[in-house]
Amino acid sequence: DQQVKQNSPSLSVQEGRISILNCDYTNSMFDYFLWYKKYPAEGPTFLISISSIKDKNEDGRFTVFLNKSAKHLSLHIVPSQPGDSAVYFCAASSSGAGSYQLTFGKGTKLSVIP
Amino acid sequence: EPEVTQTPSHQVTQMGQEVILRCVPISNHLYFYWYRQILGQKVEFLVSFYNNEISEKSEIFDDQFSVERPDGSNFTLKIRSTKLEDSAMYFCASSETGLSNQPQHFGDGTRLSIL
Repeated sequence: DQQVKQNSPSLSVQEGRISILNCDYTNSMFDYFLWYKKYPAEGPTFLISISSIKDKNEDGRFTVFLNKSAKHLSLHIVPSQPGDSAVYFCAASSSGAGSYQLTFGKGTKLSVIP
Repeated sequence: EPEVTQTPSHQVTQMGQEVILRCVPISNHLYFYWYRQILGQKVEFLVSFYNNEISEKSEIFDDQFSVERPDGSNFTLKIRSTKLEDSAMYFCASSETGLSNQPQHFGDGTRLSIL
């Protein structure tokens, strides 16, 4: 049951260029979406989030876009830096069900090539 | 910056033994969570905890699992009789509130290896 899908297991981008990581979801009850970054041997680190009432949220080099009708979100990193190389997880939660749990995608491994 | 800390970083246990994984959530956070990630799979929710009781649990969190906040700072996950399939990374997380627009902050995990 893949309620949150990240269809690209890996992505390689040149330093300085834009990285675009994609995420799709199937559960229409999800109303809050998050991106986490994970380095090896560390836990997921919160990066940026977006509420379903918005279609864009920006924080420095990171922008998340939400297309509710398509049940799709994306994370843009620009410009990409070698330190951005990590696994990126998309996650979602639903307030309507009184649920606290995050549902994660499988992750996309981003490699930024110097 | 405050962080969630987990101990030990790696735990090796014989099948059938009990194991306790420990977490110190961020001090002003009120909601606590355990997740696990089996090698090559997704991070999966196990349980959430608020006000000294479980607020939600997944179907993975069966009778072999229990959680406890034994004092004002620690939050523990106990597996009573470990099975081979319990081998995974276990992540503790905490959030300031249980509101869905509050991010959960994760520790670096405990790698549990069942022999």
